Amino acid sequence: EIVLTQSPGTLSLSPGERATLSCRASQSVSSSYLAWYQQKPGQAPRLLIYGASSRATGIPDRFSGSGSGTDFTLTISRLEPEDFAVYYCQQYGSAYTFGQGTKLEIK
Amino acid sequence: EVQLVESGGGLVQPGGSLRLSCAASGFTVSSNYMSWVRQAPGKGLEWVSVIYSGGSTYYADSVKGRFTISRDNSKNTLYLQMNSLRAEDTAVYYCARDHVTMNAFDIWGQGTMVTVSS
Repeated sequence: EIVLTQSPGTLSLSPGERATLSCRASQSVSSSYLAWYQQKPGQAPRLLIYGASSRATGIPDRFSGSGSGTDFTLTISRLEPEDFAVYYCQQYGSAYTFGQGTKLEIK
Repeated sequence: EVQLVESGGGLVQPGGSLRLSCAASGFTVSSNYMSWVRQAPGKGLEWVSVIYSGGSTYYADSVKGRFTISRDNSKNTLYLQMNSLRAEDTAVYYCARDHVTMNAFDIWGQGTMVTVSS
């Protein structure tokens, strides 16, 4: 089973700043099968990025994804108040696995 | 409108059973890959099971042999039959559409809470 490790566990930033979230896989993941989700308290996750770098429908262009192999990154270029949430990466290889999440909190 | 609505959660004793339902609208369940994903209180997301459009099913090791995923094409509804429930199965259960070309869960339900406790 591929294990995804996200870092940092918590990221404290201010609105307007740039956020960089990391997702590292225990073995190589096809870029086609790497996705990012945002989850706010009491809500279901929302798909942000699929295929490592493609934005889902309706996702603002301040969200971008990159990476390949075992290292993937979600970048939020300029944080808006509504962006403070928990973010998960997910891979679909031999099975589906999620990272443990990164909490993005207001500094 | 494309949406998923789960139901069937509740309080059940250890060793008991529960069946979750996920009604879809705006798309056809049988033409898509459909998954269940759960989230224990205060924890992260855990994939539970998937049913492919062709009918093949797969399970996480943690639920294999105890949970069964199925669908009713006439009702456009996905199900999760959960038997031999344990305290560690306590979670919010989400159904989600696994978009076959995005290879990601693009549509999620609102979730239904399952609590396993005596």
